[in-house]
Amino acid sequence: DVKVTQSSRYLVKRTGEKVFLECVQDMDHENMFWYRQDPGLGLRLIYFSYDVKMKEKGDIPEGYSVSREKKERFSLILESASTNQTSMYLCASSLGQGNNEQFFGPGTRLTVL
Amino acid sequence: GEDVEQSLFLSVREGDSSVINCTYTDSSSTYLYWYKQEPGAGLQLLTYIFSNMDMKQDQRLTVLLNKKDKHLSLRIADTQTGDSAIYFCAEILGGYNKLIFGAGTRLAVHP
Repeated sequence: DVKVTQSSRYLVKRTGEKVFLECVQDMDHENMFWYRQDPGLGLRLIYFSYDVKMKEKGDIPEGYSVSREKKERFSLILESASTNQTSMYLCASSLGQGNNEQFFGPGTRLTVL
Repeated sequence: GEDVEQSLFLSVREGDSSVINCTYTDSSSTYLYWYKQEPGAGLQLLTYIFSNMDMKQDQRLTVLLNKKDKHLSLRIADTQTGDSAIYFCAEILGGYNKLIFGAGTRLAVHP
């Protein structure tokens, strides 16, 4: 059974803190993605990675960075959290072949106070 | 630019059919997707259609694709309360298989 896990379901941080969101997939997928989900805006792509140590900016990369040191793990980093980064963060992975289905983790709801 | 649009809310009576509509912009998209998000959960692929198809049926789900108008629809027959969720339409772009999502349609099913 395919699985994408995220390190936390709920997280509360203070403005200015450094925040790490971890995502792990056990499907040997090439591609991994970080989205944020906000009401009325759907999912917006922050960063994605198509290989170990490779990363590409998505549509809203400002204020975020990522790390992919191992194939199965993709980390999202908020260097200095701000209140406008309060959101639901979703990680996904895909094989990169066939129908390109993306498999999603359960999400991390981050609140920045 | 890249944009996928769908209405934000749909309310139906249990047992009726639901139709969720979506328009997309990239005519070169090879696949178009419908994802379902239940409360408190991540997204799960519901169905997808390849761009050379006009229709795909899977049990209670029917997907219709009109490439000329760049219009995609999802029909759910005999809608049940368990179908209450947010439904996202998505198209695929680019060599890295990026998905562009719509804002999501919240389907509410009432008795």
